Amino acid sequence: AQKVTQAQTEISVVEKEDVTLDCVYETRDTTYYLFWYKQPPSGELVFLIRRNSFDEQNEISGRYSWNFQKSTSSFNFTITASQVVDSAVYFCALSEPHSGGGADGLTFGKGTHLIIQP
Amino acid sequence: DVKVTQSSRYLVKRTGEKVFLECVQDMDHENMFWYRQDPGLGLRLIYFSYDVKMKEKGDIPEGYSVSREKKERFSLILESASTNQTSMYLCASSFPGGLSYEQYFGPGTRLTVT
Repeated sequence: AQKVTQAQTEISVVEKEDVTLDCVYETRDTTYYLFWYKQPPSGELVFLIRRNSFDEQNEISGRYSWNFQKSTSSFNFTITASQVVDSAVYFCALSEPHSGGGADGLTFGKGTHLIIQP
Repeated sequence: DVKVTQSSRYLVKRTGEKVFLECVQDMDHENMFWYRQDPGLGLRLIYFSYDVKMKEKGDIPEGYSVSREKKERFSLILESASTNQTSMYLCASSFPGGLSYEQYFGPGTRLTVT
């Protein structure tokens, strides 16, 4: 069975610090997809990134970067020069696509509550 | 922009009532999903649907059923609400499976069962 672990329940940093959110996953499939979502205080989940298991290239998008390492089954998320607006709960999620189509429900980690203090 | 809407942001129901949570998406997505979110447990998949009139159980389907009569609408039904179904319910939609596209979420319905 697939599983996603976000060991950090809550992280608090001061604005402008860099912060890394950890995500470790378990799956028996060789083909799978990893996601990060942000849930701000308003409650609506916002998609951040999707990465397939064959693409281990790290990704950078502005102040956000993601480090995917299959050898350690990790997909960590780093925010550089954090800002108060980054305060949110962040979820890592895993999906294993069905062969021949069909829907793919996500398996979520329990989330990391990130608090950026001014 | 993809828009997923849910019929209510907040709902209060009594134990034993039949409850309908409605979700509508406007992007012609084949796939639709219902999750519940509880503190310390993250999001858990209740049911999903990959086509009209098709449904599949997720990880925690007990006590729930679903209906998908039209492509854009996916309803979650609590046949007889119980207090342990007090939770935040999130609906999502995505393009067809096979490549596991990202899911777009609605704003959520916070249901309280008293």
